[in-house]
Amino acid sequence: AQSVTQLDSQVPVFEEAPVELRCNYSSSVSVYLFWYVQYPNQGLQLLLKYLSGSTLVKGINGFEAEFNKSQTSFHLRKPSVHISDTAEYFCAVSEGDGNKLVFGAGTILRVKS
Amino acid sequence: GAVVSQHPSWVICKSGTSVKIECRSLDFQATTMFWYRQFPKQSLMLMATSNEGSKATYEQGVEKDKFLINHASLTLSTLTVTSAHPEDSSFYICSATPNSAGGAYEQYFGPGTRLTVT
Repeated sequence: AQSVTQLDSQVPVFEEAPVELRCNYSSSVSVYLFWYVQYPNQGLQLLLKYLSGSTLVKGINGFEAEFNKSQTSFHLRKPSVHISDTAEYFCAVSEGDGNKLVFGAGTILRVKS
Repeated sequence: GAVVSQHPSWVICKSGTSVKIECRSLDFQATTMFWYRQFPKQSLMLMATSNEGSKATYEQGVEKDKFLINHASLTLSTLTVTSAHPEDSSFYICSATPNSAGGAYEQYFGPGTRLTVT
């Protein structure tokens, strides 16, 4: 069975500093990987996804993530964060046809001025 | 494009009553819709997967008689919480997958419905 671990429940960071949100997964088969962002009282918005090909994936709002198969990781990074990036970020994985998503517990990114 | 709406955005109901939540894909046809539940400060838990015109597939531990799902058309799925109790209070989120061949890996999420049972 799949599982997703987001190691940090909260990450405080100053504005314009770089940030990395960590995500590790476990699966016995090939997977598809996703990062979603959730602003307060809103649904989820897709930031980026890895299906195949290049392991470095670029998404919206300046975010990128790198798929590392040997370490079963898919960490999310941004070189310079803004106050508006304050939100909760979810890593998710799916197998097979990519329909069912399993989510991590989420990481709250707090950007301070 | 790829907008999913939910109605209502929030609802308060009394214990023992039933509540219906609608999920609509506004600008695409959705082969599959998903219903998730999110408790405060926790992640999304998949409740069920619904395909248009067929019975929903429920995840282990989810009572299908309590959480009735109807996917009557390619743009509408409904979740009815029957005989609601305070422990059913939660944030319910739906998502939809487009019909297009490349869309199997895209889930577009609705804004969620906050249910409070008093």
